[in-house]
Amino acid sequence: DGGITQSPKYLFRKEGQNVTLSCEQNLNHDAMYWYRQDPGQGLRLIYYSQIVNDFQKGDIAEGYSVSREKKESFPLTVTSAQKNPTAFYLCASSIPGTAHGYTFGSGTRLTVV
Amino acid sequence: QQQVKQSPQSLIVQKGGISIINCAYENTAFDYFPWYQQFPGKGPALLIAIRPDVSEKKEGRFTISFNKSAKQFSLHIMDSQPGDSATYFCAATSGGSNYKLTFGKGTLLTVNP
Repeated sequence: DGGITQSPKYLFRKEGQNVTLSCEQNLNHDAMYWYRQDPGQGLRLIYYSQIVNDFQKGDIAEGYSVSREKKESFPLTVTSAQKNPTAFYLCASSIPGTAHGYTFGSGTRLTVV
Repeated sequence: QQQVKQSPQSLIVQKGGISIINCAYENTAFDYFPWYQQFPGKGPALLIAIRPDVSEKKEGRFTISFNKSAKQFSLHIMDSQPGDSATYFCAATSGGSNYKLTFGKGTLLTVNP
């Protein structure tokens, strides 16, 4: 079955640490996205990539970094510069040039301990 | 700046009743309006979507009503069931934004048996 796999499902980070969230898709989608979800805040766009080796900042990119070395993979690093990283992180993919077929992963819940 | 405003924040409906969630947008360039359903611990899944050239779209018990002049759209869930209990997000996008989705803040729907 085609889909998006996010791992791990739960992640705990100590203060000052960088952590990387994995996102892999086998849908052959060129576009991939990272969203952050907080209670009562909806989904806010962190970074997105329309094509391999290219990505753009979203609305809340500060304290995050990404890479897009392969079409299937779009990992997100939450750096120590992100002051409030505890949240539910969602990865999505789509076919560029259309909002149809937007598919989300099951998310990673990151908690700072 | 919140480009898509969603209300209510939470909604409680009795089984068999009608659930209504409303959204308003500001950007007149938006040309695609999807609704997503999210269960706890899962990623959002596309429920139904509409383009501004139609005023209503129905799929089973779910209907989108669209008012282009008022820049408003709403989701109606007929014969609401306990299994419909979830968080619902409206969203909007356009080609001018590279089809990045802008989400409302979500509505937590509870359907009592």
